[in-house]
Amino acid sequence: DGGITQSPKYLFRKEGQNVTLSCEQNLNHDAMYWYRQDPGQGLRLIYYSQIVNDFQKGDIAEGYSVSREKKESFPLTVTSAQKNPTAFYLCASSKGQQNTEAFFGQGTRLTVV
Amino acid sequence: SQKIEQNSEALNIQEGKTATLTCNYTNYSPAYLQWYRQDPGRGPVFLLLIRENEKEKRKERLKVTFDTTLKQSLFHITASQPADSATYLCAPQERKGRRALTFGSGTRLQVQP
Repeated sequence: DGGITQSPKYLFRKEGQNVTLSCEQNLNHDAMYWYRQDPGQGLRLIYYSQIVNDFQKGDIAEGYSVSREKKESFPLTVTSAQKNPTAFYLCASSKGQQNTEAFFGQGTRLTVV
Repeated sequence: SQKIEQNSEALNIQEGKTATLTCNYTNYSPAYLQWYRQDPGRGPVFLLLIRENEKEKRKERLKVTFDTTLKQSLFHITASQPADSATYLCAPQERKGRRALTFGSGTRLQVQP
């Protein structure tokens, strides 16, 4: 089954700890993205990557870091510098052109206590 | 600055009626506009993409219009069903802009049986 997988579905961390969210795709897509969604809000872009070993900051990159060492993987680290990390995190992938659809994972709900 | 506006108030309609959702944008010159459906606690799912030279696009009970003069897209669901209840997101894309999608905050549709 082709798709995009995020794990875990729920994640709890103590304040001040870094945490890494996993995102894997087997769609052979070049581009991958991370979004954050707060209750009742839209999706905000954190980071995106158009190709392996390259990535760009989105609109709310502060306090987050990413890597893209493999085409199929785009992990997101939420660092202790992120002021309000509790949110729903969504990973997506696409072929990368402007007129192609994005495929989303099921999301990871991160709660920092 | 660029802005995407979708009605933040939920749209409540009776089963069988046509639902019409609006997406307005400012400071965009989109060549494409995508619509997605998002269910609670899930990732968005792609529905339709319309190009700037297409006035209208249909897929089963869905219809999207794109008016670049009014800077607006309308999303219609005919013969609506309770299963259509979800949040619907729009994402205009410029031909030479950032490849990552920027979404409106979405409109929640509630279809009453």
